[in-house]
Amino acid sequence: AIQLTQSPSSLSASVGDRVTITCRASHGISNALAWYQQKPGKAPKVFIYDASILEHGVPSRFTGSGSGTDFTLTISSLRPEDFASYYCQQYNSYPSVTFGQGTRVEMK
Amino acid sequence: EVHLLESGGGLVQPGGSLRISCAASGFTFGNYAMNWVRQGPGKGPEWVSLINSSGGRTNYADSVKGRFTISRDNSKNTLYLQMNDLRAEDTAVYYCAIPSSGYFDSWGQGTLVIVSS
Repeated sequence: AIQLTQSPSSLSASVGDRVTITCRASHGISNALAWYQQKPGKAPKVFIYDASILEHGVPSRFTGSGSGTDFTLTISSLRPEDFASYYCQQYNSYPSVTFGQGTRVEMK
Repeated sequence: EVHLLESGGGLVQPGGSLRISCAASGFTFGNYAMNWVRQGPGKGPEWVSLINSSGGRTNYADSVKGRFTISRDNSKNTLYLQMNDLRAEDTAVYYCAIPSSGYFDSWGQGTLVIVSS
C-alpha cells in the first residue's frame, strides 16, 4: 500500500502567517493527490484535488503543488477560519486510497 | 443539494456485530459508486470499502476483509455496512462518501462506532 507521510504533525501560527504543509508518498503517484480541511466534529472537506486544482469555493490563498512523491499545501496568509486539521489523500491506487496522518494548524 | 445521513452507530462488545446505514438524497443515488471511510480517535481517515453503482462489485481494505460487508438498496437510496467480529481497533466515526475520480467530494456527518467491553 502507498503510504503518505505528512509534516509537520502540528504547527502553531498567527493570523497573516504563511503556512506550508508537506506530504510525501512512498511511491510515485503522479498528481493523484487531494488535500482536505477538517474542523472538530465535522467531516473532511476537499480543498484541492489533482495536486493543484482548487475545489469550487476554496479561497485563492490556498495553493497545492507537487508531482510524483512530494507535495505541498501552502496557505499564503492565514485567516482565523483556517485553524483546522489538514490531510492529504492519494488516489493513484483507487479504490485502495490512503490518507496522511494529518497536520493540525493551531493558533500561536 | 447532496445529503448523506449515516445512522446505526453505537457501543458494541468485542466480537459483536453492527449494521450502519447511509441515507442519500439530492442526487441520483443509483448512478454513483459509494464508499465507507472511517476515522479513529486522533487519527487520519482510513478507506474501508467501495461498492459500484449497481452493487455488483465491491472492494475492501485488508483490515476489514472477511468481517465487513458493504451493500446498497438503490430503491431506498440507502448504503449499508454490516460489521461482524468487531475489534477495539474498529472504533471510529464511520462516514459514507461519494467518490469523484478517486477523491471524496461529498461526505455525511458520520456515525460513531465504539467497540468496548
